[in-house]
Amino acid sequence: AQKVTQAQTEISVVEKEDVTLDCVYETRDTTYYLFWYKQPPSGELVFLIRRNSFDEQNEISGRYSWNFQKSTSSFNFTITASQVVDSAVYFCALSVSTGGFKTIFGAGTRLFVKA
Amino acid sequence: NAGVTQTPKFRILKIGQSMTLQCAQDMNHNYMYWYRQDPGMGLKLIYYSVGAGITDKGEVPNGYNVSRSTTEDFPLRLELAAPSQTSVYFCASSYSGAPGQPQHFGDGTRLSIL
Repeated sequence: AQKVTQAQTEISVVEKEDVTLDCVYETRDTTYYLFWYKQPPSGELVFLIRRNSFDEQNEISGRYSWNFQKSTSSFNFTITASQVVDSAVYFCALSVSTGGFKTIFGAGTRLFVKA
Repeated sequence: NAGVTQTPKFRILKIGQSMTLQCAQDMNHNYMYWYRQDPGMGLKLIYYSVGAGITDKGEVPNGYNVSRSTTEDFPLRLELAAPSQTSVYFCASSYSGAPGQPQHFGDGTRLSIL
């Protein structure tokens, strides 16, 4: 069975602090995809990044960076120099080759960035 | 550039009433999905469709029905509303050309059953 665990329910930081959101996944498939989505207070879900199981390169996009480690089944997300606009719920998700690539979502981590 | 459009945005139903949540996408995506998001929880897949005329159950299909007569539209029907169906419902779509495509979400429908 597939599973995504986001152990941090809520995180609160002060603006300009760095923050890392943890994501641990479980699957026996060798081909899978990992995603991060952002859900701001307005409610819509916004796609941030996708990583496939054959590409363990880390990625940096502005203040965002992602660390994918197959050895620990983790796909962690770091925001550098956080801003108030980063306040949102962040979801990690897993899509596997069996079952038509349906997506399994973690429970989400709510990030509060205080000014 | 509308993307995925959901209507209505908010609705209050009485127990036992029925309603249809509408979802339309203009990106010519073959894959469409319905999720529910309960407070403090992730998204649970209700139904999905891989193309017009093809639908399948997700993780929590009981109490819901779907149809997919066109590529663009994927309505979700609640036949006998129950308080347990109070939730925020999201429709999503993705391109079917390759696996692992990210999903594009609508703004959600907040539904309360009283």
